[in-house]
Amino acid sequence: DAGITQSPRHKVTETGTPVTLRCHQTENHRYMYWYRQDPGHGLRLIHYSYGVKDTDKGEVSDGYSVSRSKTEDFLLTLESATSSQTSVYFCAISDPGTGVYGYTFGSGTRLTVV
Amino acid sequence: DAKTTQPTSMDCAEGRAANLPCNHSTISGNEYVYWYRQIHSQGPQYIIHGLKNNETNEMASLIITEDRKSSTLILPHATLRDTAVYYCIVRVSTQGGSEKLVFGKGTKLTVNP
Repeated sequence: DAGITQSPRHKVTETGTPVTLRCHQTENHRYMYWYRQDPGHGLRLIHYSYGVKDTDKGEVSDGYSVSRSKTEDFLLTLESATSSQTSVYFCAISDPGTGVYGYTFGSGTRLTVV
Repeated sequence: DAKTTQPTSMDCAEGRAANLPCNHSTISGNEYVYWYRQIHSQGPQYIIHGLKNNETNEMASLIITEDRKSSTLILPHATLRDTAVYYCIVRVSTQGGSEKLVFGKGTKLTVNP
């Protein structure tokens, strides 16, 4: 999607290794979010950020940490990847103050932990 | 968080209107209803949102009941490309003034030729 990119698009990693996923935006939106999507569960919020260095937990935050040192980047880190973290990860941005409604989602990162 | 209830799946004939219902009986007075859709494995796409009044844009119409406990998304002339999972979501305000969207499992809409 225009203005928001996720990297990598695909990754295979081994259990116990650290993994960092990156979300980059060029829209200067204040709010950023990380979701995961699994069959039978829909999208579940992991963490979100409401400004630089301001983050909070979502509904499935265990095993994940995030950082936002600048407006355009929101990093999701799996400190020690487990097979249960195999999923598709989506980043989203929003900023109601700009008059743009709703979230804009990235194209997703497919992570496989073996 | 206010929960939403949607049918698991629906079918619609191409060219006909698709009416997707959603129940949100615990919605609070200042909470918005949002609709998104997700095609294949792409990221969800914003469709429309509303608070009290009915809304219409180039993609769809949103009808919200007077008591706000339910709503209906209307795709006036469904095409095959509208086949997707449609999510009805109640927006939750969080600290910092952001909006938090909690997704349910949505309705799988299949548009048939």
